Amino acid sequence: SQTIHQWPATLVQPVGSPLSLECTVEGTSNPNLYWYRQAAGRGLQLLFYSIGIDQISSEVPQNLSASRPQDRQFILSSKKLLLSDSGFYLCAWNVGGYNEQFFGPGTRLTVL
Amino acid sequence: AQTVTQSQPEMSVQEAETVTLSCTYDTSESDYYLFWYKQPPSRQMILVIRQEAYKQQNATENRFSVNFQKAAKSFSLKISDSQLGDAAMYFCAYSEFDQGGSEKLVFGKGTKLTVNP
Repeated sequence: SQTIHQWPATLVQPVGSPLSLECTVEGTSNPNLYWYRQAAGRGLQLLFYSIGIDQISSEVPQNLSASRPQDRQFILSSKKLLLSDSGFYLCAWNVGGYNEQFFGPGTRLTVL
Repeated sequence: AQTVTQSQPEMSVQEAETVTLSCTYDTSESDYYLFWYKQPPSRQMILVIRQEAYKQQNATENRFSVNFQKAAKSFSLKISDSQLGDAAMYFCAYSEFDQGGSEKLVFGKGTKLTVNP
């Protein structure tokens, strides 16, 4: 069966520090991968999505970046965090078209 | 870009009663998918139900059912015999393909459902 992992589960970082959030998927090949951010009391905002290695699309201009070094690994990064980067970050995957996305457990990021 | 609107930020229901959550969307496509996701306090996103636009029959999953009105672009979720464990944020989502052929989900802002004992 397929599983999706995210780490860390929680993270507290000072403003201006770097960020690296990792997401890995098991049990499937060539998944579509997604990064979302959920600010307090709001819906999900799509940040990045990837249909394959080195094929990453950005939805919103920001100081975040994403990379996909392996087929089932998706990394969200920042060189310098801002206060506004605080939120709950969700990774998701699916395969094929029109299929539901499956979400990881999320990472709660607090920037102080 | 397509949009998904959930007009009820919060709803409440008595245990064992029925509640309906509203969702409308905007699209010019004829073939697409719609989903309802549940996010309990643990914040894990869980798929509740899915609807394929080309299917006229409303989807049903146990106590959860949808009222899909394609012409009206409406996709409401009905929860019957509400249970305390149904308390959560509920998100409506629409599946679309971008110009590059990549599939994306567009989410509404969610409805917070409270179940009263």
